[in-house]
Amino acid sequence: ETGVTQTPRHLVMGMTNKKSLKCEQHLGHNAMYWYKQSAKKPLELMFVYNFKEQTENNSVPSRFSPECPNSSHLFLHLHTLQPEDSALYLCASSQDFAGRMYGYTFGSGTRLTVV
Amino acid sequence: TQLLEQSPQFLSIQEGENLTVYCNSSSVFSSLQWYRQEPGEGPVLLVTVVTGGEVKKLKRLTFQFGDARKDSSLHITAAQPGDTGLYLCAVASGTYKYIFGTGTRLKVLA
Repeated sequence: ETGVTQTPRHLVMGMTNKKSLKCEQHLGHNAMYWYKQSAKKPLELMFVYNFKEQTENNSVPSRFSPECPNSSHLFLHLHTLQPEDSALYLCASSQDFAGRMYGYTFGSGTRLTVV
Repeated sequence: TQLLEQSPQFLSIQEGENLTVYCNSSSVFSSLQWYRQEPGEGPVLLVTVVTGGEVKKLKRLTFQFGDARKDSSLHITAAQPGDTGLYLCAVASGTYKYIFGTGTRLKVLA
């Protein structure tokens, strides 16, 4: 069983839809992250949660809404997205906060296409 | 804003060849990480380097942190098709986050 599980793997949604991405880890990690990976751009940090508390919102538009009900689960709620939001959305967790010593464990990502 | 530049951007080589990829910045870092991302998957941590001049080996992969802790290199000996992927370097930025480089996309042909 891999460490970080993301669902769905692929998602196609219209600009008026509402959908949610789910991330789950049972590694005992206390920090979880959402990253966006677009073609030809570096990975962009979106949100950071430490012990369920949001500690970073990297100037993400309000059409992206994170939720962290407990240390094992992280959601990204999506509504009224734009075509330029199409990307691979990666969830990660870390044993130590910010992953400085042990790095991040990433999920396989959700490939999102906004039409 | 810190910027990590990786070179080359793309690399296509034959199986058995050696290669080196680079991660450079004008800033000094306390630590640096290398990840490999295979198609359709998330990045996987390969190594963390923390000391200037440090060299770490992972089978056929050799990682070096620059003496001034501003740059790093990854050398692969006798590349294999399984080495194909996107190689990313990452450094700590502030308290909460890592920033990632632009990546080197490697393809090893059988």
